[in-house]
Amino acid sequence: KNQVEQSPQSLIILEGKNCTLQCNYTVSPFSNLRWYKQDTGRGPVSLTIMTFSENTKSNGRYTATLDADTKQSSLHITASQLSDSASYICVVSAYSWGKLQFGAGTQVVVTP
Amino acid sequence: NAGVTQTPKFRVLKTGQSMTLLCAQDMNHEYMYWYRQDPGMGLRLIHYSVGEGTTAKGEVPDGYNVSRLKKQNFLLGLESAAPSQTSVYFCASSSPIREPYNEQFFGPGTRLTVL
Repeated sequence: KNQVEQSPQSLIILEGKNCTLQCNYTVSPFSNLRWYKQDTGRGPVSLTIMTFSENTKSNGRYTATLDADTKQSSLHITASQLSDSASYICVVSAYSWGKLQFGAGTQVVVTP
Repeated sequence: NAGVTQTPKFRVLKTGQSMTLLCAQDMNHEYMYWYRQDPGMGLRLIHYSVGEGTTAKGEVPDGYNVSRLKKQNFLLGLESAAPSQTSVYFCASSSPIREPYNEQFFGPGTRLTVL
């Protein structure tokens, strides 16, 4: 069973609207959680990295939150743009420099 | 700075054929990784290397071999390709010394189809 579960699998949103993606994990011990953006045909690119002591972190219109007690994270996209169409992957690391556990990703499609 | 590059970008093999995927990085990173990405699944680690001349098995190593003869290159070999190895392969590199939380930088991927 995957230790990192993401929901929804996919979503379609109108340009300019907001959306929130969810990530639940069971990885233990926990060191940090990352959100990656993967454009079609490209490799993943890091958006944010949070440790267990951080509740929220922003990168432009992307805001990630973390609740280490419930082992949940979310990624909020504000005022979506067509360029936000991509797969968003939640990644959890058990140690600060350890191997990564990848979620399957949420495919986001932004329509005009 | 090209970052992480992979060759080839696409490849079609017949069952039983062999091939080598090449990964190169120009960031002087110590660590390098090979992942595979399949539909509906997260990236899975095949093999990794923590330095020149060293390699280690990841989560799904069977059917693959790797070599790291030079710090900047990491090769992934398929000795006898099988249809189950049809996938998109990503190489990544990182520096646990210089990058916070050992952030990994990914290449553009190689799409491999085994018929």
